[in-house]
Amino acid sequence: AQRVTQPEKLLSVFKGAPVELKCNYSYSGSPELFWYVQYSRQRLQLLLRHISRESIKGFTADLNKGETSFHLKKPFAQEEDSAMYYCALSGIGGSEKLVFGKGTKLTVNP
Amino acid sequence: GAGVSQSPRYKVAKRGQDVALRCDPISGHVSLFWYQQALGQGPEFLTYFQNEAQLDKSGLPSDRFFAERPEGSVSTLKIQRTQQEDSAVYLCASSFFGTGGDTQYFGPGTRLTVL
Repeated sequence: AQRVTQPEKLLSVFKGAPVELKCNYSYSGSPELFWYVQYSRQRLQLLLRHISRESIKGFTADLNKGETSFHLKKPFAQEEDSAMYYCALSGIGGSEKLVFGKGTKLTVNP
Repeated sequence: GAGVSQSPRYKVAKRGQDVALRCDPISGHVSLFWYQQALGQGPEFLTYFQNEAQLDKSGLPSDRFFAERPEGSVSTLKIQRTQQEDSAVYLCASSFFGTGGDTQYFGPGTRLTVL
């Protein structure tokens, strides 16, 4: 079955330190990969998607098909980056439903 | 503009009661999705509509769950004879086309607690 794995439930870094949130997926086709973020008391929102190859709020993510990974990176974490981050994939069998990982709670300490 | 809205935001039901959860998608969005998010988990897909057509209901956990979108806009998720394991946050999302890579916009969710 298609699966998204986020191995870290919790991740804590200091402000200014680099941060990497890991995401691995299992799907033999060509998936669409996304990172969604949920800030405290806010709704789930899209952070970035691999097809756009964009950098949002200093975050980037590269799709590595060989390693089936889509890790999220930021060179210098900020306190406002503290949030819940979910990796997700879609496009399974042509379906647009999202398959989410369990999420990683990032805390950036001052 | 207005985003996806959901009502009620909180619902407490006694075991065995029926509940109805409403989703108002962004105006003009063709596709509408329902997800269930249990505590400490990521959202899990329930069902998907394109306009009024329910194209995928593979995620509905049992026949107690029923969703509709009769006019291709507002959608209702109904849960009959609620059980404690139905306690979760129910998220609705909409997208413009629902095609590959399309952004899904999420509502605030309805937190259902079954006692």
